[in-house]
Amino acid sequence: AIRMTQSPSSFSAYTGDRVSITCRASQGISDLLAWYQQKPGKAPELLIYSAYRLQSGVPSRFSGSGSGTDFTLTISSLQSEDFATYYCQQYYSYPRTFGQGTKVEIK
Amino acid sequence: EVQLVESGGDLVQPGGSLRLSCGASGFTFSNYGMSWVRQVLGKDLEWVASVMDNGSEKYYLDSVKGRFTISRDNAKNSLFLQMNSLRAEDTAVYHCARDLYGSMDVWGRGTAITVSS
Repeated sequence: AIRMTQSPSSFSAYTGDRVSITCRASQGISDLLAWYQQKPGKAPELLIYSAYRLQSGVPSRFSGSGSGTDFTLTISSLQSEDFATYYCQQYYSYPRTFGQGTKVEIK
Repeated sequence: EVQLVESGGDLVQPGGSLRLSCGASGFTFSNYGMSWVRQVLGKDLEWVASVMDNGSEKYYLDSVKGRFTISRDNAKNSLFLQMNSLRAEDTAVYHCARDLYGSMDVWGRGTAITVSS
């Protein structure tokens, strides 16, 4: 199975900050990567697919980049509603695998 | 409104069985692959199984192969997960999700399974 490793596991930031989360795959996955946001008690929501394609309805402050094994989710200006946990997921092969999550907290 | 609603979660003893259901609405169910994903204690997400739009192809996590069966009824806009020989490590919230080229663009709120004696 392809292992997905996110970093950092958690961090705190101020509203308005530009923040980035990285995701590394244990082998090349082309651009077959998605990013999700999850808030407590809610289901995950798709933000980005195909590494950089913004899901319909997702604010443009979210962006994704990368290919192969290294990927980045960037939030250009953190808003209060963005404090949540973020997960990457590869769909290059089965089993689909997720990163362990990155929790973004308010500083 | 596009929506997925799971049901069937319960407390079950180790070795027991359970059948989860997921009802879909607001979209043409038969056009999409579907998946089950579980989450333990609000933390790690783990993909469990997927089925293609016409039900012809199915994929499973190794640890559930031979114990879990994913199926669908396109006439009833429903997805199922038959879970047999349940173990403590199957305890989780189970979400159904709609496949979008392999990512998952619509999720249900989930149904909780607890495997304990």
